[in-house]
Amino acid sequence: GENVEQHPSTLSVQEGDSAVIKCTYSDSASNYFPWYKQELGKGPQLIIDIRSNVGEKKDQRIAVTLNKTAKHFSLHITETQPEDSAVYFCAALGSGGYQKVTFGTGTKLQVIP
Amino acid sequence: DSGVTQTPKHLITATGQRVTLRCSPRSGDLSVYWYQQSLDQGLQFLIQYYNGEERAKGNILERFSAQQFPDLHSELNLSSLELGDSALYFCASSVAGTGGEKLFFGSGTQLSVL
Repeated sequence: GENVEQHPSTLSVQEGDSAVIKCTYSDSASNYFPWYKQELGKGPQLIIDIRSNVGEKKDQRIAVTLNKTAKHFSLHITETQPEDSAVYFCAALGSGGYQKVTFGTGTKLQVIP
Repeated sequence: DSGVTQTPKHLITATGQRVTLRCSPRSGDLSVYWYQQSLDQGLQFLIQYYNGEERAKGNILERFSAQQFPDLHSELNLSSLELGDSALYFCASSVAGTGGEKLFFGSGTQLSVL
């Protein structure tokens, strides 16, 4: 089955700096890659997603890049703010028939004011 | 607010007991997913229902079972509870019937087995 690795497990940045979280996946048939943000005491919330036919997608301060050849994808947050502090999960979804979402182990991001 | 409602928020029980977790999906969503989140295992997929029928199974123990009712709410039943079952249990819903694109998660049920 699919295996998703996520790094780093913790990340501290100064407010205003950029943050990058990286993930690799094992199943070359995976074609959908969402990112979820989980704030304390809440469930994960989808913040951005990308499909395998797209190399990059942006939404305001958040961007995701995908390298299908290398089987890795990354989340980029620019101009970080204290409210960006949360745990971020990457995930991958395979293609063909039913495929479940496999999540990475999460990155705890701390933005220092 | 994701629109997914989970009850109860907290549950404290003893080993050997049985509990039921409840989930109401977003209006219009036909799929319900159950996930277990623990510190050392991350988010683990347990089971998915689509319009009342089981669609996929993940790492769900035989002591656990679930169902989705005609009104689309779902229940996760955990029996013969063990200390290791202590975790945060999430329900998620989506419009899609396959895979799990664009999941909307509830706030979870924190289960503590003492």
